[in-house]
Amino acid sequence: DAGVIQSPRHEVTEMGQEVTLRCKPISGHDYLFWYRQTMMRGLELLIYFNNNVPIDDSGMPEDRFSAKMPNASFSTLKIQPSEPRDSAVYFCASSPRRTSGANEQFFGPGTRLTVL
Amino acid sequence: AQKITQTQPGMFVQEKEAVTLDCTYDTSDQSYGLFWYKQPSSGEMIFLIYQGSYDEQNATEGRYSLNFQKARKSANLVISASQLGDSAMYFCAMSYNRKLIWGLGTSLAVNP
Repeated sequence: DAGVIQSPRHEVTEMGQEVTLRCKPISGHDYLFWYRQTMMRGLELLIYFNNNVPIDDSGMPEDRFSAKMPNASFSTLKIQPSEPRDSAVYFCASSPRRTSGANEQFFGPGTRLTVL
Repeated sequence: AQKITQTQPGMFVQEKEAVTLDCTYDTSDQSYGLFWYKQPSSGEMIFLIYQGSYDEQNATEGRYSLNFQKARKSANLVISASQLGDSAMYFCAMSYNRKLIWGLGTSLAVNP
């Protein structure tokens, strides 16, 4: 079975440009998470969805960030306009719906974003 | 507030020896889960092991075991018979309202 798929794997852009990161979760998983990882702040949850509905976006840094999940197999994270401090690795993860036990999250390979 | 603390920024271990990576947590919830993930230099996040707060037995997955001490609020990861491929960052995390609260990680280097 395919794991979580993210694209692009690497993105280099200039300050002020719009950046769109894409994610395809594992089929059948009800939950989708977007994370940002930096050396300074570690792994930060930006937003998560349940059945395509945003549940908690309290980690989204500011209005420049937006995320959508138009269907169960696709999500985007958009940064507009991008700034150098947005440079990080962005992970998408998905998780199955279980009523008990582990609800481990399965991570994609990440997108390494560099904003010049 | 929920919090995960990993106090060891970096650890070294000789190949074939066992190593313990520390993790303490803080929560007022009675029901929670504790996770360990591995992140090798290639960058992917790999799920290793899970322990539920009501599980009476310590979790084990191959060479990985979780030393769960509920009263001390600790969930240490034990890797037995270390291999060179175990060199990576290791993250402890705790579930909270379907989210995971993450520690800052421990970098493990396995020496030949």
